[in-house]
Amino acid sequence: ELKVEQNPLFLSMQEGKNYTIYCNYSTTSDRLYWYRQDPGKSLESLFVLLSNGAVKQEGRLMASLDTKARLSTLHITAAVHDLSATYFCAVDITGNQFYFGTGTSLTVIP
Amino acid sequence: EPEVTQTPSHQVTQMGQEVILRCVPISNHLYFYWYRQILGQKVEFLVSFYNNEISEKSEIFDDQFSVERPDGSNFTLKIRSTKLEDSAMYFCASSFYLGTGGAEQFFGPGTRLTVL
Repeated sequence: ELKVEQNPLFLSMQEGKNYTIYCNYSTTSDRLYWYRQDPGKSLESLFVLLSNGAVKQEGRLMASLDTKARLSTLHITAAVHDLSATYFCAVDITGNQFYFGTGTSLTVIP
Repeated sequence: EPEVTQTPSHQVTQMGQEVILRCVPISNHLYFYWYRQILGQKVEFLVSFYNNEISEKSEIFDDQFSVERPDGSNFTLKIRSTKLEDSAMYFCASSFYLGTGGAEQFFGPGTRLTVL
C-alpha cells in the first residue's frame, strides 16, 4: 500500500519566518498535489506538480517535486497569520486514485 | 466562478439505515471522486468515476457503498447500511483532465455524516 508521510505534523512558527514542510511517499509517481484546508472547511487546491523537478510558486508558498527521492516540499517564506491552516500533499499513481498525506497543521504566531 | 456543491451539509442517521449523499460537480468536468475524512484525520480516497463507471476504488469502498450519476448533473454516494464508523465528513470532488496524466481536483464543501 502506498504510504504518504508528511512532517512535521504540527508546526508553530512566528510571522516573518521561513519554513519547509516535507512530503515523502513510498512508490514511484510523478504526480503530486498540495491542498490547504481551513478548520471545518473543504480542501483548496494549491499546486499541481506533474514532473520531476517541477517547481511552482504562489505568493509566499513554493512547492517542488523530486520524483527520484520521492519527496515534495512546500516552502513558506515570511509567514503571515493568513497562512495558518492544515496542508496536505496527495500522490496519484494510477491516474485516478489519490493518496493523501497525514497533514501538517500550521499555526503562524504574530 | 463554478463550484462543486453538496447536499445535505449535515446528515444524521441511525445505524443500519441507508443514506444518499449528493453532489453536483462542475459542469464541464469529466472525472468525479468521493473522499471521506474522519474528524482530525487525513483525507481518504473512496472512489473515482469516469464515463459512467468506476475507475478506481479503495479498500474502504466495499459492498456497502455505491456511486451513481443518475442524470447529467448529479453524482451520488449511497451507503446501504450505515455503521458507527461511517461517521465522517464526505467530500465530493471533480476534475478535468490536464493532458499530462494529472488532474486538478475541485472539492465541494462536504457533508458531515453522523451515525447514531
